[in-house]
Amino acid sequence: NAGVMQNPRHLVRRRGQEARLRCSPMKGHSHVYWYRQLPEEGLKFMVYLQKENIIDESGMPKERFSAEFPKEGPSILRIQQVVRGDSAAYFCASSSGTDYEQYFGPGTRLTVT
Amino acid sequence: GESVGLHLPTLSVQEGDNSIINCAYSNSASDYFIWYKQESGKGPQFIIDIRSNMDKRQGQRVTVLLNKTVKHLSLQIAATQPGDSAVYFCAENKNGNKLVFGAGTILRVKS
Repeated sequence: NAGVMQNPRHLVRRRGQEARLRCSPMKGHSHVYWYRQLPEEGLKFMVYLQKENIIDESGMPKERFSAEFPKEGPSILRIQQVVRGDSAAYFCASSSGTDYEQYFGPGTRLTVT
Repeated sequence: GESVGLHLPTLSVQEGDNSIINCAYSNSASDYFIWYKQESGKGPQFIIDIRSNMDKRQGQRVTVLLNKTVKHLSLQIAATQPGDSAVYFCAENKNGNKLVFGAGTILRVKS
């Protein structure tokens, strides 16, 4: 039973480019959460999605960031026109929706040069 | 606003000793609390959880205590091993939605 998958594991982008981060939830899970972690800090919630719906995006920056979880395929976190401050580890978690437990993926480490 | 914080940023213990990691939370409406372990370069790994209607929960070598009166959460690790070295986060959850994480405590186990 595969866990939460994220790719790429490492992503390097130059300022102004776009970054696309992918997350495949655990089998049977339809709830996906994205978190961002800066060095030496805890994880900060960004967005919570269910299939084809954004449930809570209270942690998403108003500009340049978007997320989707289509009916088919992985969830995508998209960052347009990246800046150095976007450099961080981005983690995806999934849950079944029947309990509170969230399972985390290995993360994508984004470096903006 | 909501916040979950930790008292000690770094904890060093001798192998075989017990470890206690503490956490304070401020949102009394949270109904679910979790401890995660994060090793370098990896995602958070679930350790143990507790619901707000409980005071204590035990797992294998780990115990979580919840004191709602003072809004305090602790993780006890018995017979700490080198493999326990990691960053430990407490997190709170309300209504099954987003997790609010603390800043983390680094646990270093000395052999």
